[in-house]
Amino acid sequence: QKEVEQDPGPLSVPEGAIVSLNCTYSNSAFQYFMWYRQYSRKGPELLMYTYSSGNKEDGRFTAQVDKSSKYISLFIRDSQPSDSATYLCAMTSGSARQLTFGSGTQLTVLP
Amino acid sequence: EAEVAQSPRYKITEKSQAVAFWCDPISGHATLYWYRQILGQGPELLVQFQDESVVDDSQLPKDRFSAERLKGVDSTLKIQPAELGDSAMYLCASSLGSLNTDTQYFGPGTRLTVL
Repeated sequence: QKEVEQDPGPLSVPEGAIVSLNCTYSNSAFQYFMWYRQYSRKGPELLMYTYSSGNKEDGRFTAQVDKSSKYISLFIRDSQPSDSATYLCAMTSGSARQLTFGSGTQLTVLP
Repeated sequence: EAEVAQSPRYKITEKSQAVAFWCDPISGHATLYWYRQILGQGPELLVQFQDESVVDDSQLPKDRFSAERLKGVDSTLKIQPAELGDSAMYLCASSLGSLNTDTQYFGPGTRLTVL
């Protein structure tokens, strides 16, 4: 079983919808949680970075971490066609050398 | 805005041939990473450099893969001989510091197809 599980989608929503993207993980040592956005034929870019549990908001994006359930979410409000991309969650324990990525969820926002 | 540069963007090769990928990190970034991303999966770390030194190559298939960062700036990843299972996107990333919580900036990747 993978340490990080992410629904691969694809997920298709109409413009303006609220999108919820989720990851679950099994390693209780993970404390730092990231969301990356990857456009087709491009490298990932960091969207959100949170430490431990709680919510973090940045414009239309909200990252949520529930360590008790080992569950993280990314919410996108008022979704736009430009949000169409693959969203990757990533996490680390801090002491580990590397990030552990989810497999990515492919999102399409239809105009 | 500074970016991580990679070349080539696309590479098609036959199995058993040698291939090489090049990466130029953001200026001043001490840490450089090479990742492999198989279609439909997340990136997996192959090797991490701190300046010119390898700090983690535990996931690098050393029988066929090699990586170097001789002057602590740009880097080359080589595969010899290439196998069909090596078809993937090879991503380079760099970060200012060495902590795994430091923001990693990714290049556009090299898409390798092995026939």
